[in-house]
Amino acid sequence: AQTVTQSQPEMSVQEAETVTLSCTYDTSESDYYLFWYKQPPSRQMILVIRQEAYKQQNATENRFSVNFQKAAKSFSLKISDSQLGDAAMYFCAYRSGSNTGKLIFGQGTTLQVKP
Amino acid sequence: DTAVSQTPKYLVTQMGNDKSIKCEQNLGHDTMYWYKQDSKKFLKIMFSYNNKELIINETVPNRFSPKSPDKAHLNLHINSLELGDSAVYFCASSQSGDWETQYFGPGTRLLVL
Repeated sequence: AQTVTQSQPEMSVQEAETVTLSCTYDTSESDYYLFWYKQPPSRQMILVIRQEAYKQQNATENRFSVNFQKAAKSFSLKISDSQLGDAAMYFCAYRSGSNTGKLIFGQGTTLQVKP
Repeated sequence: DTAVSQTPKYLVTQMGNDKSIKCEQNLGHDTMYWYKQDSKKFLKIMFSYNNKELIINETVPNRFSPKSPDKAHLNLHINSLELGDSAVYFCASSQSGDWETQYFGPGTRLLVL
């Protein structure tokens, strides 16, 4: 069975600085997708970024980028120029390439942004 | 222009009651999901429907019964509510295909007293 692990329950970053959130996963599949979701205090789950396993190039969305290391089964999220609005809980998620569709989530990392 | 909506947003009820949560999506997606987020913020899939057909049914008590009247709606009915059912329930939807990126509703916070 696939598992996703986020080993950092809490992280903090100074406004305008860069922070990296860690995520590792375990799978025997070769075809899968990885996602980072953000959950602010409003509780809404917001997609931040996504990565296809077969793509070697790391995904980037504005200030958000990932470091995808397939052999190491690592999928970290880097937030550059952190803003106060980035404060939230961040979830790493795995989806199999088969058609089951379910997301398997990590435990989440709470990010605090200090002004 | 809410993409995935849920009603109600908050639900407070007594143990033993029966309650329903409704979900609607206007994204034209063919797959819908229910996730449960517990008090420790852990998110886990409960059910998934594709074109009104149940395709994922995780180990959920049979007091929970999903119903999908059409592709745009997925409701969750819970019988004989227990204290441990208190959680936030998220509905999500996606379109079959390569990404199948899931878009989430705002969540329904259920508190069982």
